[in-house]
Amino acid sequence: GESVGLHLPTLSVQEGDNSIINCAYSNSASDYFIWYKQESGKGPQFIIDIRSNMDKRQGQRVTVLLNKTVKHLSLQIAATQPGDSAVYFCAEASKAAGNKLTFGGGTRVLVKP
Amino acid sequence: DGGITQSPKYLFRKEGQNVTLSCEQNLNHDAMYWYRQDPGQGLRLIYYSQIVNDFQKGDIAEGYSVSREKKESFPLTVTSAQKNPTAFYLCASSRNLNQPQHFGDGTRLSIL
Repeated sequence: GESVGLHLPTLSVQEGDNSIINCAYSNSASDYFIWYKQESGKGPQFIIDIRSNMDKRQGQRVTVLLNKTVKHLSLQIAATQPGDSAVYFCAEASKAAGNKLTFGGGTRVLVKP
Repeated sequence: DGGITQSPKYLFRKEGQNVTLSCEQNLNHDAMYWYRQDPGQGLRLIYYSQIVNDFQKGDIAEGYSVSREKKESFPLTVTSAQKNPTAFYLCASSRNLNQPQHFGDGTRLSIL
């Protein structure tokens, strides 16, 4: 999701439930996508990436889904834990744009105990 | 441990002053980047470097300068020409432009 100034979209989720964070992108030429997690006062931490020749990729407790038809990316976190509370950013890149990453505005995830 | 080190963590600048933010990596990465992050927003690219002695402007390069004299180091200077420098500055590196970027923990710059 995109943010407007200080008001990040926020996803509240109960501990133990699954979380789904969505990201829309506009560049149909984008061929590389990354999800980052950022905790307060720290730099973004790499979670998982996916290239455009795939539509799904799984990591430990995380799954990224890519729908190129509607230019949509999602991050699913299984069994959400308090340590998952953070801001999550998607980023996209394309060879045509020199492989530079373009970041979305971020989504804040709050895990309720 | 391998990683990216940014210093200082907090930096204060007086009006009209240039300040330099340090970024060092020991990951043997060729590419390095500088981003600016404003409150509640995503990251915007200031400058990037694919290889030693080479760098390119990003989306918001005005008022900033960089150098890449060593593979490990990519310092960013915020000049007096940058009229709104207060922000969180993040440095990143990657093996090349087509690989995931790994970030330092940032420098928060404020104006006195």
